Amino acid sequence: NAGVTQTPKFQVLKTGQSMTLQCAQDMNHEYMSWYRQDPGMGLRLIHYSVGAGITDQGEVPNGYNVSRSTTEDFPLRLLSAAPSQTSVYFCASSYRPGAEKIDYGYTFGSGTRLTVV
Amino acid sequence: ELKVEQNPLFLSMQEGKNYTIYCNYSTTSDRLYWYRQDPGKSLESLFVLLSNGAVKQEGRLMASLDTKARLSTLHITAAVHDLSATYFCAVDMYRDSNYQLIWGAGTKLIIKP
Repeated sequence: NAGVTQTPKFQVLKTGQSMTLQCAQDMNHEYMSWYRQDPGMGLRLIHYSVGAGITDQGEVPNGYNVSRSTTEDFPLRLLSAAPSQTSVYFCASSYRPGAEKIDYGYTFGSGTRLTVV
Repeated sequence: ELKVEQNPLFLSMQEGKNYTIYCNYSTTSDRLYWYRQDPGKSLESLFVLLSNGAVKQEGRLMASLDTKARLSTLHITAAVHDLSATYFCAVDMYRDSNYQLIWGAGTKLIIKP
């Protein structure tokens, strides 16, 4: 059971470039989410999805797009990278909050360390 | 405002001592999570607390939840060096017709031999 798989692990971008961070899970979780982690801060929610075809914005959505065409995949797109997007990005999945199985909590990917120069 | 506050943010302690990390949150929730993160690593789930009065223990760590006080504690008993890490609490809060996970800033714990 692979859990949550994120790629790439490291990436350096130039300002203005675009890229997609990949996230896939094999646990049949309805809920998937993207966070960024900056030094000295907790994680901040970028976007989330409660199921295929449904996405919504979190605390810090500007500069990022997401889509959820399948239950398994939830890619995060940076349309025009900026130095302020230098961060570590984590994808997480879980059963739907409020559902019976939520006591398993959230499962996190290994993270993507992104630097924008 | 949805806010989760942890304290202390930094804790240096000797092996064998006991200490408690506190997690306060600003709005009603009955789901709280504790995670551990080692430097450069991902987040590892420690505890999932789903109801008022919930108490869970794993080894030298014990977590509790008081939903009325909007407070969770993570208690460390007879600390050992291997417990050095950053500990986060996170709360599921209902906002914009959905649940969102709001995080504390983390408590960096250093345990000296």
